[in-house]
Amino acid sequence: ILNVEQSPQSLHVQEGDSTNFTCSFPSSNFYALHWYRWETAKSPEALFVMTLNGDEKKKGRISATLNTKEGYSYLYIKGSQPEDSATYLCASHTGNQFYFGTGTSLTVIP
Amino acid sequence: NAGVTQTPKFRILKIGQSMTLQCTQDMNHNYMYWYRQDPGMGLKLIYYSVGAGITDKGEVPNGYNVSRSTTEDFPLRLELAAPSQTSVYFCASSIIQIDNYGYTFGSGTRLTVV
Repeated sequence: ILNVEQSPQSLHVQEGDSTNFTCSFPSSNFYALHWYRWETAKSPEALFVMTLNGDEKKKGRISATLNTKEGYSYLYIKGSQPEDSATYLCASHTGNQFYFGTGTSLTVIP
Repeated sequence: NAGVTQTPKFRILKIGQSMTLQCTQDMNHNYMYWYRQDPGMGLKLIYYSVGAGITDKGEVPNGYNVSRSTTEDFPLRLELAAPSQTSVYFCASSIIQIDNYGYTFGSGTRLTVV
């Protein structure tokens, strides 16, 4: 079993603020990291798939970085909007299966 | 393109009953997965399949069975339902286990065992 930890557990920000949260994972036997966005009453949707140390990915106002040597990934949201409110999940793969974190719940206050 | 379709969306079972959660994907994905999500916990892998006729246990397989007779379908069977199986179940699929697209998830089945 692989422990994937996300912090903070929940976050409230004002509209327009930028924010970031962390996914930590064991760095040994790393193969890939996924970030998902999960809106209430919907299913998780893939945001990023990252495999290489130093990877940086961007989709609109959302970006992510990956450090496989120290075992963490950051997700950044620039200029948060109410529609960004969701739970953001990460999952790390060791070569056997993906292990999911418990997510960071983001609420953007208009 | 429907993606991953799960049925039913909600179900209440009595202790000891059995049921099958259906999962179908129309993307010709080789890999399919069943996860459960309990409050405050991350998604836990129950079973997965790498192709028709091939299945394997995940992290929490006890009390469940699966089959994969076709590429499209990956049903999850609960025999002798127990309250501990109250959870939200998600089916997912992917082209290969690690690709550039991540998993495609179904909309979930909320199961309550009373």
